[in-house]
Amino acid sequence: DIQMTQSPSSLSASVGDRVTITCRASQSISSYLNWYQQKPGKAPKLLIYAASSLQSGVPSRFSGSGSGTDFTLTISSLQPEDFATYYCQQSYSTPRFAFGPGTKVDIK
Amino acid sequence: QVQLQESGPGLVKPSQTLSLTCTVSGGSISSGGYYWSWIRQHPGKGLEWIGYIYYSGSTYYNPSLKSRVTISVDTSKNQFSLKLSSVTAADTAVYYCARLWFGELLGASFDYWGQGTLVTVSS
Repeated sequence: DIQMTQSPSSLSASVGDRVTITCRASQSISSYLNWYQQKPGKAPKLLIYAASSLQSGVPSRFSGSGSGTDFTLTISSLQPEDFATYYCQQSYSTPRFAFGPGTKVDIK
Repeated sequence: QVQLQESGPGLVKPSQTLSLTCTVSGGSISSGGYYWSWIRQHPGKGLEWIGYIYYSGSTYYNPSLKSRVTISVDTSKNQFSLKLSSVTAADTAVYYCARLWFGELLGASFDYWGQGTLVTVSS
């Protein structure tokens, strides 16, 4: 099975900071990588699909890149509403989906 | 706007069967093009995909749970359901239903989610 890892597991940042989160797959998954944002007590929200495509309604400060085994989610200018946990998810080996362990972004 | 809503008991006894239903509004399960999924999240932990179903009844399950999981669909009610048998405390989690979209050459993503429901397994 494909394993997903994320780094860092948590980070502290300030409003306005540029934030980068990394996701790595245990084998190549082409561009079949999604990113989700989850706030406490809420369901995850799809931000990015297919590694770099922005989901409708998601602010343009979010962007994704990468292919193969290494991927990044970038928030260009962190906003107060962006403090949350971010998960990556591979869809290469359907139907065996796997999520990363998450990266928590909190306020410095 | 598609909306999903989970319902079912919040407390289940060990060894019994957990049963949840997801009601879909704003779109028809029967229209096709999407799969309907269950995902869970243990307290303070990450996300675990449980399985999904197509309106035709075709199902796919996480191998780690396959022996205990049944997902079914009721198109007349625009609902799909989860049954997880022989539960233990390890099955205590927030259970989410979600719509799974397969895009051509874009992979599959969970684009709409229910709010989630906490199920506690305890005597």
